[in-house]
Amino acid sequence: GAVVSQHPSRVICKSGTSVKIECRSLDFQATTMFWYRQFPKQSLMLMATSNEGSKATYEQGVEKDKFLINHASLTLSTLTVTSAHPEDSSFYICSARHRTGANVLTFGAGSRLTVL
Amino acid sequence: AQSVTQLDSHVSVSEGTPVLLRCNYSSSYSPSLFWYVQHPNKGLQLLLKYTSAATLVKGINGFEAEFKKSETSFHLTKPSAHMSDAAEYFCVVSGPFYNQGGKLIFGQGTELSVKP
Repeated sequence: GAVVSQHPSRVICKSGTSVKIECRSLDFQATTMFWYRQFPKQSLMLMATSNEGSKATYEQGVEKDKFLINHASLTLSTLTVTSAHPEDSSFYICSARHRTGANVLTFGAGSRLTVL
Repeated sequence: AQSVTQLDSHVSVSEGTPVLLRCNYSSSYSPSLFWYVQHPNKGLQLLLKYTSAATLVKGINGFEAEFKKSETSFHLTKPSAHMSDAAEYFCVVSGPFYNQGGKLIFGQGTELSVKP
């Protein structure tokens, strides 16, 4: 079945540094990938929609200069948290939609970011 | 616009007893509905989905859900709970992908506890 891999699964960084999280579709091509953020004991909030070869579409309230998204190929999207602060600490989850447009998304296992 | 409401933030059952997790939705389109499960610090796993076919949908691990348009509900059930079912469950709604850009709208989540 379709598999989405996220890396790293856990990352700890110092305040002010930047962190990159990768989302890869391992056995299928994904024209669209989505990035979500999940706070402890809360639901997933969509941050942005990433389309291969074009700029990401950000949800209202999400700073695009803070959360840089790149979708350079049909199998890879990256989320870079720039100048991270403790309030950016969260669980970040990506999902990918198969290029055939099947109405199911495959989720990665998530990346837990802790900013000290 | 689409929205989804999970009526219980926490449900506790005894092992071997039935599980009922409630979900109501609102959608201006004919909706696609999903239930996802998330184990602690893990990504999301699709339990089942409804996409305008049979209204009673069977999923993995013995779960099923019934789409009731008149009640705008999509409750998740399982006849007999197992300890391994303890997790967070999300009811999710999506409009037609091509109109909605593939977005998923997550409910607030229901934490299921299973007592021995």
